[in-house]
Amino acid sequence: EVQLVESGGGLVQPGGSLRLSCAASGFTFSSYEMNWVRQAPGKGLEWVSYISSSGSTIYYADSVKGRFTISRDNAKNSLYLQMNSLRAEDTAVYYCASPGGLYSSKSGFDYWGQGTLVTVSS
Amino acid sequence: QSALTQPRSVSGSPGQSVTISCTGTSSDVGGYNYVSWYQQHPGKAPKLMIYDVSKRPSGVPDRFSGSKSGNTASLTISGLQAEDEADYYCCSYAGIYWVFGGGTKLTVL
Repeated sequence: EVQLVESGGGLVQPGGSLRLSCAASGFTFSSYEMNWVRQAPGKGLEWVSYISSSGSTIYYADSVKGRFTISRDNAKNSLYLQMNSLRAEDTAVYYCASPGGLYSSKSGFDYWGQGTLVTVSS
Repeated sequence: QSALTQPRSVSGSPGQSVTISCTGTSSDVGGYNYVSWYQQHPGKAPKLMIYDVSKRPSGVPDRFSGSKSGNTASLTISGLQAEDEADYYCCSYAGIYWVFGGGTKLTVL
C-alpha cells in the first residue's frame, strides 16, 4: 500500500524556521518525482515546489522562492521542505504529493499524504 | 503564477449532470495538455479524478470526464450522486511550475 506521511508541522513565530518531512512507503520512492502542495485554512490548493527523482531539477512557486528549500534522501525514502523566514501567509496544511503511476508530475498528482499543519503566528 | 479561474459553486440534483469550468491562459491550460482535476472532501487530502485533460485513473467512475478547448478546461460529472458533493480543483502544468484553480464547491441538492 502506498503511503506518504508528513511530519514536522507546528506553531512557529513570524521570521522563524521549520523543516517538514514526508516519509514514503509502498512504492519505489527513488523513481518518482515529488512535490509539496499547501492549502491555507478555508482556501484552495497552491503548488509550492517540485523535485525530480534524482534531485537534480528543482522548481519553486514565486511565493516561496528564496525562503523554502526542497530536498530528498532516496536512501531514506524521504522528502523534505526547509522553510525559513516564515510569514503569516505561509500558514497552511502542507501535503507531499507524487505523480505515482502517472510517472510525470506534468500529468498530475496521484499520491497524496494526509498533510501537516504549519501555523505562523506570534 | 496567477490562479486558474473556476466558478465558486455549482449544484445539481441526483442523476443530473454538472460541468465545472477552469479558465487559464495560453501559458498554462492553453499551452499544454496537462490539466488535472481533484476532488476534496472536508478534512481529507485531494483525490486525483482526471489527468492529462481527459484520462481517468483506475477506480474513478466513468461518470467523471474531462475536456479542453483553448484556454478553458472542463470537468463534467454525469449521473450525480450524493457522494460527489465536495470541492473540486483544476490544475495545469505551466512550464516550470503548476497552477491550481481557486476551487468549486459542488452541492448535490
